[in-house]
Amino acid sequence: DAGITQSPRHKVTETGTPVTLRCHQTENHRYMYWYRQDPGHGLRLIHYSYGVKDTDKGEVSDGYSVSRSKTEDFLLTLESATSSQTSVYFCAISPGDRRGYTFGSGTRLTVV
Amino acid sequence: GESVGLHLPTLSVQEGDNSIINCAYSNSASDYFIWYKQESGKGPQFIIDIRSNMDKRQGQRVTVLLNKTVKHLSLQIAATQPGDSAVYFCAESGNAGNMLTFGGGTRLMVKP
Repeated sequence: DAGITQSPRHKVTETGTPVTLRCHQTENHRYMYWYRQDPGHGLRLIHYSYGVKDTDKGEVSDGYSVSRSKTEDFLLTLESATSSQTSVYFCAISPGDRRGYTFGSGTRLTVV
Repeated sequence: GESVGLHLPTLSVQEGDNSIINCAYSNSASDYFIWYKQESGKGPQFIIDIRSNMDKRQGQRVTVLLNKTVKHLSLQIAATQPGDSAVYFCAESGNAGNMLTFGGGTRLMVKP
């Protein structure tokens, strides 16, 4: 997706290990979001950021932390991965308009 | 709490036919709705949106209908093509902020 990249695209990790997913944008958008997508649940908001060092929790934030030290990067960290965190994670960016969400291609995380 | 959901998890249509994908929402304060298309291995992409002061909006081959009385939203795709095969889901926003709540998704399969 133009202007937004997620890394890695795929990752397999063991239970109890820390994992960091990266979202990078080149659009200079103010807002950045992390979602997880699971069958039957659609996209659920984990955390979001409304500026550098300004973040807030979403509906499924337990077990996750985020950081945004630069406008272009939004990191999602699983401090100690659990099998329930196996999911596809999507990052989205927005200039502040509800219409203007742009999503990354996703990171498929498997916790074994 | 508020939720957005979809009536049919899978819809199979013949190429050339029209498709109708439905969505129910429960937040009567929702004032903005979006339909997204998600192809395999990709992030969701914006298709069309509608504000609550409208009951119909048309795009290229797509039409969104909003019935606020019964809190129902539908996406109509005319002359469905194989490239329309994807998961479609609706999203709603019920405040002045930048937050969206997503539904669970319907898979559209187009038979040649």
